[in-house]
Amino acid sequence: QITLMESGPTLVTPTQSLTLTCTFSGFSLTTSGVGVGWVRQPPGRALEWLALIYWDNDKRYSPSLKGRLTITKDTSTNQVVLTMSNMDPVDTATYYCAHITITFGGVPRRDAFDVWGQGTMVTVSS
Amino acid sequence: QSALTQPRSVSGSPGQSVTISCTGTSSDIGYYNYVSWYQQHPGKAPKLIIYDVSYRPSGVPDRFSGSKSGSTASLTISGLQAEDEGDYYCCSYVGGYSWVFGGGTKLTVL
Repeated sequence: QITLMESGPTLVTPTQSLTLTCTFSGFSLTTSGVGVGWVRQPPGRALEWLALIYWDNDKRYSPSLKGRLTITKDTSTNQVVLTMSNMDPVDTATYYCAHITITFGGVPRRDAFDVWGQGTMVTVSS
Repeated sequence: QSALTQPRSVSGSPGQSVTISCTGTSSDIGYYNYVSWYQQHPGKAPKLIIYDVSYRPSGVPDRFSGSKSGSTASLTISGLQAEDEGDYYCCSYVGGYSWVFGGGTKLTVL
């Protein structure tokens, strides 16, 4: 059974950096085709894909936020960490991490975020 | 990349069918068959209901179906039930191992 759980601060001061941790179980982030992504959702608004790290340590970022995001993984502790710099009140949102498998090497997979964490609400305010 | 375009809201009566569209471009939906759909209830995390345009994960009722024509993907929910009320999001691969979501559609069951 795959599970993911987000953790991090609930309140961040403007201009500070945010560090969120996704702790997962039930899969290995060294298995070909597997990744963990981050998605956020401001209150009452739509989902927004932020970043994704794959089994081979390939890292991808949303073009609109690329300069502010850093994603890393630690396969020994089964954690993925997202850092977002220069936080602003517009970054107030629920942040989710999610498991994804992609078709790779001729092996068809779901190509979708199939298991999500419960989300963590982050408020940016002074 | 820009967010995929979805209608802000749709509605239907119990037992009816509704279709939610998701319009992209020739660089995302029009090029790749990697479209997924998510259902989200208030205060809950999104749940995958369709992947690879038209496949349902186990446990998702066959009332939910997906399709694609050109750069537009569609989610159809037949035999609407009260518990189907919520927000629905499409998502597409855009190349370069990157993804984009739609703006979301609120489904109201009348």
